[in-house]
Amino acid sequence: RKEVEQDPGPFNVPEGATVAFNCTYSNSASQSFFWYRQDCRKEPKLLMSVYSSGNEDGRFTAQLNRASQYISLLIRDSKLSDSATYLCVVTLNRDDKIIFGKGTRLHILP
Amino acid sequence: DTAVSQTPKYLVTQMGNDKSIKCEQNLGHDTMYWYKQDSKKFLKIMFSYNNKELIINETVPNRFSPKSPDKAHLNLHINSLELGDSAVYFCASSPGTGSEGFNTEAFFGQGTRLTVV
Repeated sequence: RKEVEQDPGPFNVPEGATVAFNCTYSNSASQSFFWYRQDCRKEPKLLMSVYSSGNEDGRFTAQLNRASQYISLLIRDSKLSDSATYLCVVTLNRDDKIIFGKGTRLHILP
Repeated sequence: DTAVSQTPKYLVTQMGNDKSIKCEQNLGHDTMYWYKQDSKKFLKIMFSYNNKELIINETVPNRFSPKSPDKAHLNLHINSLELGDSAVYFCASSPGTGSEGFNTEAFFGQGTRLTVV
């Protein structure tokens, strides 16, 4: 089983819609969780951390389910500028290893 | 004021050559990384250094040799370049394990697009 798995998409979503991605991880000892965003031909940038209690940042909501070993990202009222690849990231504290999923491509359609 | 900078941004070279990519961070972070992003966009860790010491060395051919002269720099030297080495290479840094026991975010350089012909 891969360390971090995501649906590669693409997700083609009309502007204004709500879209959700899931990501599963295999190592139950994983400590920290993040969503990164990568635009075409650019470097990955942190979108938001994911906390056990769930957290929200504007139109973005992230949740963690440790029992089922998955994290989710919900985007409400999607904008054209949300089009990007969203990378699920998991870290293992023992060796500071940061593991990326393969990413989910999102296309917001006008 | 660039936080993580890597050079060059583009590198086109012939098979068999030796090349280096440089990376510097001015964030005062203890941990630096090299990632390779292949044509399928999969971002895979290659190496991690913490305070100049090698922490992670994934299954990478020994033609790839990282060098960390100080904790602000992590350079990547590649010998005998092969066609399959063509990819985008990202340098990143992070504070490492935070005081609360959790890792904090990683900051990435803009990437070096390596094309081997």
